[in-house]
Amino acid sequence: GENVEQHPSTLSVQEGDSAVIKCTYSDSASNYFPWYKQELGKRPQLIIDIRSNVGEKKDQRIAVTLNKTAKHFSLHITETQPEDSAVYFCAASIGRDDKIIFGKGTRLHILP
Amino acid sequence: SAVISQKPSRDICQRGTSLTIQCQVDSQVTMMFWYRQQPGQSLTLIATANQGSEATYESGFVIDKFPISRPNLTFSTLTVSNMSPEDSSIYLCSVTGTGYLTDTQYFGPGTRLTVL
Repeated sequence: GENVEQHPSTLSVQEGDSAVIKCTYSDSASNYFPWYKQELGKRPQLIIDIRSNVGEKKDQRIAVTLNKTAKHFSLHITETQPEDSAVYFCAASIGRDDKIIFGKGTRLHILP
Repeated sequence: SAVISQKPSRDICQRGTSLTIQCQVDSQVTMMFWYRQQPGQSLTLIATANQGSEATYESGFVIDKFPISRPNLTFSTLTVSNMSPEDSSIYLCSVTGTGYLTDTQYFGPGTRLTVL
């Protein structure tokens, strides 16, 4: 079946440095790729998303890139801050009806 | 985006009993989904709650164990039946169809279930 692979599972970054999380997907029909941030005990929050008609999207310190040919997409966080510490999930749309499937998550630690 | 609430926020239940979780949205939405998130894990889609018809279940999830209702465009329930400790998890509803981008999914706060 369809799946989304996410790497790394854990990432430690010095405050102020950049963090990159990578995902690959299997369904060539996927056309929507959201990223969620989940803090401990909280619900997943959408932080950025990208659709298949663009290759890159940026929102302040966060950017996402998409390579449809290779079926992979990445999250880039620049100038990391302590509040960026959380678990990040990538996801990809499958089929119709707005369904998405999630990667296994990346626990990001920002080191002081 | 819409305001999504879930009840209860948490519960501790005995093995063999059932619990019904409610998801309420403050505006009409297109799609409603139910997810399970086991401790330290990712989100797994249980089913799509269809308004006025039977839910669509993902592989590994069945209606007898997780009956779902969606009587209108703002409300859905998920029942976890005949519970066992393996059902201990966070259950989240999500919705699409709010705001300009209709396929963006927003999540409720979750229900933390512990089964003894």
